[in-house]
Amino acid sequence: KNQVEQSPQSLIILEGKNCTLQCNYTVSPFSNLRWYKQDTGRGPVSLTIMTFSENTKSNGRYTATLDADTKQSSLHITASQLSDSASYICVVTSYNYGQNFVFGPGTRLSVLP
Amino acid sequence: DTAVSQTPKYLVTQMGNDKSIKCEQNLGHDTMYWYKQDSKKFLKIMFSYNNKELIINETVPNRFSPKSPDKAHLNLHINSLELGDSAVYFCASSPAWGLAGSEQFFGPGTRLTVL
Repeated sequence: KNQVEQSPQSLIILEGKNCTLQCNYTVSPFSNLRWYKQDTGRGPVSLTIMTFSENTKSNGRYTATLDADTKQSSLHITASQLSDSASYICVVTSYNYGQNFVFGPGTRLSVLP
Repeated sequence: DTAVSQTPKYLVTQMGNDKSIKCEQNLGHDTMYWYKQDSKKFLKIMFSYNNKELIINETVPNRFSPKSPDKAHLNLHINSLELGDSAVYFCASSPAWGLAGSEQFFGPGTRLTVL
């Protein structure tokens, strides 16, 4: 069964600290993996998109890693800011006679002053 | 200037009513989607249209009927609303269907509450 799991479910950190969010998936065949940021009351916004051959991708203070062998991805946030408080959603796309998007449940991050 | 817009932003209605949510994108994209985000925050795809043609139709009650009058619009009509339809509905678009790495742009969401 195609599934995406994320951990932790929620996370509270102090401003300025780093954190790492995890994503494990069982989706097959694999096409790409995306990390989205969803602010409260808004639609998700794409942070990174990674294909099978990419191990690391950065977008400012956000760095995503992908290990296609172990089917794991992480999103590392450096020097967190209050505006980083949001849900972070991992989405794996499978392409087999059409696209299949499998969403993770998200990790709720709260950055406190 | 909004890339993907939805109306209305909030919709409160009685059980049994019929309602529509509208979505428009001004990005020139070929593909549009409807997602449902329930109270547990899971996003689930409902429908996808590519060049006005339906290409994804997940297991959704047939009370939900999408309509794409042109590439820039994808509306969602819901008949006989039920309590379980209460959720946030997101519209999204992407440049093309099947394009590896194709990025999706989401609208602000429509919060539907069925009483």
